[in-house]
Amino acid sequence: QVSLKESGPGILQPFQTLSLTCSFSGFSLGTSNMGVGWIRQTSGKGLEYLATIWWDDDKYFNPSLNSRLTVSKDTSNNQAFLKITSVDTADTGTYYCTQRDYYSGAFDYWGQGVMVTVSS
Amino acid sequence: DTVLTQSPALAVSPGERVSISCRASEGVNSYMHWYQQKPGQQPKLLIYKASNLASGVPARFSGSGSGTDFTLTIDPVEADDTATYFCQQSWNDPDTFGAGTKLELK
Repeated sequence: QVSLKESGPGILQPFQTLSLTCSFSGFSLGTSNMGVGWIRQTSGKGLEYLATIWWDDDKYFNPSLNSRLTVSKDTSNNQAFLKITSVDTADTGTYYCTQRDYYSGAFDYWGQGVMVTVSS
Repeated sequence: DTVLTQSPALAVSPGERVSISCRASEGVNSYMHWYQQKPGQQPKLLIYKASNLASGVPARFSGSGSGTDFTLTIDPVEADDTATYFCQQSWNDPDTFGAGTKLELK
């Protein structure tokens, strides 16, 4: 049974770096064709794709945020990580990590999401 | 970016059939997926690659389409189907989502 859970700071100030952790079970990023995708949901843009990290450490980013995003993984501990630099109020929203299928491109399973508020 | 256009809301009665549309601003082959999101919950995959039912999803849900026009059909609709339905394409970079169609039951 696949399960994912996001964790993060909750609240941070403008210009800080947002660091999120995705802890998952039921699959491994050491297995071919597995990926973890990051998506956020904001009042301004709805659901917005951020990035994907694949089993082979290949990474894809949304070009609109490319320069601000970093993704990484810890295969041994079944974790994936997302960092967003220089946040502002537009980054306020709910952040989801997902299991992603390489062949279909769908986001098969989603974490419950973590709410992030950027406020001074 | 590929823009996905969905109608904002629909209202149907239980037992009826409902079709929810998603139109892409450019072709996405068959790489269109559908999700259901209930209030306070995360999205849940219903259909992948236009017409494939995701694991555990009732057969009342089906998908069709290719290219730029896609449809999610629920037949028959049940009270528990009250939710917002999103489409997502993974053919063109970056992945994009529709704004969602809110389905209400009469």
